[in-house]
Amino acid sequence: LAKTTQPISMDSYEGQEVNITCSHNNIATNDYITWYQQFPSQGPRFIIQGYKTKVTNEVASLFIPADRKSSTLSLPRVSLSDTAVYYCLVGDPTGGYNKLIFGAGTRLAVHP
Amino acid sequence: EPEVTQTPSHQVTQMGQEVILRCVPISNHLYFYWYRQILGQKVEFLVSFYNNEISEKSEIFDDQFSVERPDGSNFTLKIRSTKLEDSAMYFCANDGTDTQYFGPGTRLTVL
Repeated sequence: LAKTTQPISMDSYEGQEVNITCSHNNIATNDYITWYQQFPSQGPRFIIQGYKTKVTNEVASLFIPADRKSSTLSLPRVSLSDTAVYYCLVGDPTGGYNKLIFGAGTRLAVHP
Repeated sequence: EPEVTQTPSHQVTQMGQEVILRCVPISNHLYFYWYRQILGQKVEFLVSFYNNEISEKSEIFDDQFSVERPDGSNFTLKIRSTKLEDSAMYFCANDGTDTQYFGPGTRLTVL
């Protein structure tokens, strides 16, 4: 399983765009990049997943450069409710079985 | 989003007692997982379960732990003799088509 590195914490203000970058230098060919969000005392919640280029959904965008050694989660116009821990995970989700290895994540604090 | 449910939301027990944590996974999803998160620490993988047997377990998942699907739908985690260090949030997870869905967790407090 590829190791990931992401900032321990970030601060932002309401209405700003937040970009959290994750490094995964040893990503394998079959690996996808998945981001989860976790609020205190709740289970991790899937945000977005991608393999290459750009993926966008109603919550976030995920930018993956051609070499796939890093990825950037972009949260547009954050609000106070986006204060959470964000985890970047790398692994092969195809075939069903996919044990997740969580790092420390990035603790995002959104201020008024 | 598909929903995994867990009961109880909070369990308080005395050291040495047995606890059973319950999960109702998403129907037709075949892989089941338990994770735990000690307060302030990372989410840690405990065990995965497929086709009515353990497919992988971590070093945390020792002989005090067991999992089963007692009735083909519910998925349980049993801790036979709880220790203080078992106090944590326990999350059940279930595989979707391309990711895992987590339940809300059970907070286990061992006194």
